[in-house]
Amino acid sequence: RKEVEQDPGPFNVPEGATVAFNCTYSNSASQSFFWYRQDCRKEPKLLMSVYSSGNEDGRFTAQLNRASQYISLLIRDSKLSDSATYLCVVNGPGAGSYQLTFGKGTKLSVIP
Amino acid sequence: NAGVTQTPKFQVLKTGQSMTLQCAQDMNHEYMSWYRQDPGMGLRLIHYSVGAGITDQGEVPNGYNVSRSTTEDFPLRLLSAAPSQTSVYFCASTGGRVGTYEQYFGPGTRLTVT
Repeated sequence: RKEVEQDPGPFNVPEGATVAFNCTYSNSASQSFFWYRQDCRKEPKLLMSVYSSGNEDGRFTAQLNRASQYISLLIRDSKLSDSATYLCVVNGPGAGSYQLTFGKGTKLSVIP
Repeated sequence: NAGVTQTPKFQVLKTGQSMTLQCAQDMNHEYMSWYRQDPGMGLRLIHYSVGAGITDQGEVPNGYNVSRSTTEDFPLRLLSAAPSQTSVYFCASTGGRVGTYEQYFGPGTRLTVT
């Protein structure tokens, strides 16, 4: 089983749509979870951390289900500027590790 | 603050040549790492360092060496370039406590080996 799995997409959605990305991870010891955004030919940048209780940042909502080892990202009212690849990231191998394992990413295209 | 800087931005090498990719950070982070990114493969960890003088291998270390003589610098050396090392290389540094930290990436080096 791959360590961090994501649907590669692409997801093509119209402006204003709501889109959800899912991710599963295999390391039950992981304690830190993130969503990164990567624009074409650019470096990844942190979009948001994911907390156990779920968290929201404007149009973005992240959820974590530790029992199912499942992370999600919901984007509401999609903008053209949201077009990018979204990377699901978890830490490991140990709970206190700074090492990060990246999913391969889900590509989003928001269409006018 | 410059954050994480990498040089060069682009490089073309011939098979068998060696070179060093430079990485520097000005955030006083202890943890630094090198990744390569290939189409369809995602980011893969090459080497990492938890502080000056301490380095360790990641997922794909073969063909690469690293050193960490200072907190700021973490160069990646390709010993004898091969076409399979054609990739985009990202250096990153990490600060903060586990659970709240953020990993900052440099702008990347696009390497082609012919």
